[in-house]
Amino acid sequence: QKEVEQDPGPLSVPEGAIVSLNCTYSNSAFQYFMWYRQYSRKGPELLMYTYSSGNKEDGRFTAQVDKSSKYISLFIRDSQPSDSATYLCAMSPYNAGNMLTFGGGTRLMVKP
Amino acid sequence: NAGVMQNPRHLVRRRGQEARLRCSPMKGHSHVYWYRQLPEEGLKFMVYLQKENIIDESGMPKERFSAEFPKEGPSILRIQQVVRGDSAAYFCASSRDRGYNEQFFGPGTRLTVL
Repeated sequence: QKEVEQDPGPLSVPEGAIVSLNCTYSNSAFQYFMWYRQYSRKGPELLMYTYSSGNKEDGRFTAQVDKSSKYISLFIRDSQPSDSATYLCAMSPYNAGNMLTFGGGTRLMVKP
Repeated sequence: NAGVMQNPRHLVRRRGQEARLRCSPMKGHSHVYWYRQLPEEGLKFMVYLQKENIIDESGMPKERFSAEFPKEGPSILRIQQVVRGDSAAYFCASSRDRGYNEQFFGPGTRLTVL
């Protein structure tokens, strides 16, 4: 079983829809949680960075962390065709250096 | 604001040759990380370096792979005697210091081994 699980998709939604992307993890030591967006054949771009449990909002993006369930989510409101990309969750323990453990990524397609 | 720079962007090598991948971190960043992304797989950590120090190489294959981050110049990931299974995208990331987990990625080097 992988440490971080993510549905690979593809997830296809119409423009303007609310998108929900999720990851589950097994290592209770993870404290820092990140979401990256990766366009085809490009490097990952940091979207959201959260510490421990709770919500964080940035524009159309909201990141949620539920440590009790070992479950994190990224919500995208008013989705746009330009949001079409692969979304990667990543996480790191508090005191174990800065190695990030990634999920396999979810491919999102937003259709005009 | 220059981001993380990697070169070359594409590298083709024949089996048995050496591959050298370079990474220049963002300005003000002194920590460098290398990750590998195999086709249809997620990013896997390889090595974490500071200037002149390897901090964590737990993700590096035991043979043929090495990394350095000299006092001057870019970080180098070296793969000796490449094999077809080394074909992948190699990404470098940098962060400000150990206390910050926000890692910013470069565009990657796509290595193809013929």
